Amino acid sequence: KQEVTQIPAALSVPEGENLVLNCSFTDSAIYNLQWFRQDPGKGLTSLLLIQSSQREQTSGRLNASLDKSSGRSTLYIAASQPGDSATYLCAASRGADGLTFGKGTHLIIQP
Amino acid sequence: NAGVMQNPRHLVRRRGQEARLRCSPMKGHSHVYWYRQLPEEGLKFMVYLQKENIIDESGMPKERFSAEFPKEGPSILRIQQVVRGDSAAYFCASSDTGAVQPQHFGDGTRLSIL
Repeated sequence: KQEVTQIPAALSVPEGENLVLNCSFTDSAIYNLQWFRQDPGKGLTSLLLIQSSQREQTSGRLNASLDKSSGRSTLYIAASQPGDSATYLCAASRGADGLTFGKGTHLIIQP
Repeated sequence: NAGVMQNPRHLVRRRGQEARLRCSPMKGHSHVYWYRQLPEEGLKFMVYLQKENIIDESGMPKERFSAEFPKEGPSILRIQQVVRGDSAAYFCASSDTGAVQPQHFGDGTRLSIL
């Protein structure tokens, strides 16, 4: 059974800092790994999806990496802004079924 | 180009009543997933459907819960005889061709049981 863990559970940093969010998964037989952000009372916004054959994906100030062999993914946020404050979730897909989510990292960017 | 639409956004039911949650996938998407987010817990997969078929319901409670995705119309998650423990946010997601494509989420339905 796939288990996804995210560290840290919460993070507060000053505006402008670069930061890394960590995600680990127990079953390396994944199809892809997806990073989302969730704002309070809202749904999930997809940020990046990394296929199992890929090592990383980039979108603007965000970069996500995937190391299947070690069961790890990281989300790197460059030059953080207050608008980046949200809960960040990673989720692993084993195939034709649903995603397995971590509990998220609650991120606060201090102005 | 509407995203995934869920309604209602908020639903209040008394214990023993039925709750019906609706999800219209993104245009062109034929794969629908339902998830539940309990307070202080992560999102948990419930069921995966394609048009008129349940593909995987391994995350669905065995009793009182059912889901459908008819040929026409939205996907429905139905909870019969609701109990306080059913209070949660229920999210629907859709994708184009399944596993290798990203899932796009709706804003969820917040279900409160009195």
